[in-house]
Amino acid sequence: DAGVIQSPRHEVTEMGQEVTLRCKPISGHDYLFWYRQTMMRGLELLIYFNNNVPIDDSGMPEDRFSAKMPNASFSTLKIQPSEPRDSAVYFCASSSPNHPLYGYTFGSGTRLTVV
Amino acid sequence: QKEVEQNSGPLSVPEGAIASLNCTYSDRGSQSFFWYRQYSGKSPELIMSIYSNGDKEDGRFTAQLNKASQYVSLLIRDSQPSDSATYLCAVNGGSYIPTFGRGTSLIVHP
Repeated sequence: DAGVIQSPRHEVTEMGQEVTLRCKPISGHDYLFWYRQTMMRGLELLIYFNNNVPIDDSGMPEDRFSAKMPNASFSTLKIQPSEPRDSAVYFCASSSPNHPLYGYTFGSGTRLTVV
Repeated sequence: QKEVEQNSGPLSVPEGAIASLNCTYSDRGSQSFFWYRQYSGKSPELIMSIYSNGDKEDGRFTAQLNKASQYVSLLIRDSQPSDSATYLCAVNGGSYIPTFGRGTSLIVHP
């Protein structure tokens, strides 16, 4: 298995632009999570899906952030408009359908820089 | 609010020594406990999980859990420079969604 695949690996954009981050979970995993990591705040859960349905989006910082999971193999996290304070590493993770307690597999992350 | 606390470090140990990393948590209902290793510029990688009180060993790694005292620790025996990384503690409560600590930076020097 190729693991959790995220794209792009790096994104540099100007303030006000729309940014779309993409994630392909491990096949068969029915939990998908989006995290943001910064030095100041550590690893923060933004939103998670179960069977493609958003379960908890209370971690999404503002209405500028939105996430979708149109099918079991693809999810997007969109920021519109982007701001410099959105600069962070964004991770996608998925977990096993039978053992949600058994930890995650993280993707390689997208390093976002908003200038 | 569920909290997971870790000393940010850095914890510096000589090669071959035992590195001891600690984590405390606030939610007494927590059921599952995980240790992730994160190399600089990389994503977190699950290295240990533990669910019941006591010790769990996997190679050079030992996870220790004490639910009464609400702490979980990770021991790394015979530390190697390649163990230098940030170690994240994660705790699952009843929601099955883990809360992550901020991580402890470990430096193993030759």
